Amino acid sequence: KNEVEQSPQNLTAQEGEFITINCSYSVGISALHWLQQHPGGGIVSLFMLSSGKKKHGRLIATINIQEKHSSLHITASHPRDSAVYICAVGGSQGNLIFGKGTKLSVKP
Amino acid sequence: DGGITQSPKYLFRKEGQNVTLSCEQNLNHDAMYWYRQDPGQGLRLIYYSQIVNDFQKGDIAEGYSVSREKKESFPLTVTSAQKNPTAFYLCASSRILRGEAFFGQGTRLTVV
Repeated sequence: KNEVEQSPQNLTAQEGEFITINCSYSVGISALHWLQQHPGGGIVSLFMLSSGKKKHGRLIATINIQEKHSSLHITASHPRDSAVYICAVGGSQGNLIFGKGTKLSVKP
Repeated sequence: DGGITQSPKYLFRKEGQNVTLSCEQNLNHDAMYWYRQDPGQGLRLIYYSQIVNDFQKGDIAEGYSVSREKKESFPLTVTSAQKNPTAFYLCASSRILRGEAFFGQGTRLTVV
């Protein structure tokens, strides 16, 4: 069983829709990261959170430590949001353990 | 602007040759990492370094080597011992271990 599970693997949405991507993890963590990877391959850090909720523009990330679950929400989705969204948690070696990613495609 | 620079973006090598991927950061971060990404899989850790002249093996270190002679630089050598080197390689850094990670743009290595 993977230590970090994301769902769904693929998601297609119409422009303007509210989007939710889920992440469950099985290890104890100090923080959880949400990352965005564009088709060119570069990765950008969106959020790092250890409790509660964070908001940045149209993006909202929440985490429930007791349930070992986090969600990434995108409000009023736009085609430029199309990317792979990756959840990661801190590993025992000090690195990050990554989920396999959720590929989001937003159609105009 | 601060950031992480990986070069080159695309690299082709013949089987049996060693190749070195460059990673430079000007963020004054102590920790640096190398990850490998294959289609349909999450990123996997190759090596990481917390401090100059020290580095640790990750989950898939076999066939790879690194050095950390300067804080800013963490080059990765893919040796001929790596059985399946064709992949996308990402370098990252963070101020401290498990801290917010900043990534380079990646190097896509193709071995023919």
